[in-house]
Amino acid sequence: QVQLVQSGAEVKKPGASVKVSCKASGYTLTSYDLNWVRQASGQGLEWMGWMNPNSGKTESAQKFQGRVTMTRDTSINTAYMEVSSLRSEDTAVYYCASFSGYYGLIFWGQGTLVTVSS
Amino acid sequence: DIQMTQSPTSLSASVGDRVTITCRASQSISIYLNWYQQKPGKAPRPLIHAASSLQSGVPSRFSGSGSGTDFTLTITSLQREDFATYYCQESYSTPPYTFGQGTRLEIK
Repeated sequence: QVQLVQSGAEVKKPGASVKVSCKASGYTLTSYDLNWVRQASGQGLEWMGWMNPNSGKTESAQKFQGRVTMTRDTSINTAYMEVSSLRSEDTAVYYCASFSGYYGLIFWGQGTLVTVSS
Repeated sequence: DIQMTQSPTSLSASVGDRVTITCRASQSISIYLNWYQQKPGKAPRPLIHAASSLQSGVPSRFSGSGSGTDFTLTITSLQREDFATYYCQESYSTPPYTFGQGTRLEIK
């Protein structure tokens, strides 16, 4: 069974960083590109970034450039996204999802709630 | 960057109705348009990829059409479980892969 399993909820203070993991099971992480998407409470889906797990090449949305770092460890079939300089507006559920241009976002993680609060 | 404009933002309908949601891209994206369904507290569920291809397991009352800049998602004979929020997303060429604003489908 194909799954993306994300790390658990986090509570962070403003200015801190958070690193969310996304482990693929039932398939090899390098089989598909990976996207990260977030959703604030009651809001729509916001595309954050893309990674090619084979090459490690990444691209993030302009509003996150300089604050988002996407990495992977293919030996354990896991991708990571770190968001730095957190502010209250970053409070959201963060999703990873496998991606192809033709099929879109195919498999989704269960989401990780990140709460930024002093 | 490509902008995606989805309409309407909300829609009320009854069980058995037919509904249509539209998504417009700011430039041609060929057929690289995907639709997702999301229910409260859940991750989005892929419905349609490549504008008109149903994902595995999606009921045939869902259909998608369009190419270029204009796309539609149609649900015929609405079922109770179809009341949810729907998003389009373009996956054309290079990132960013923008989402539409979402359409909340509510029971009338």
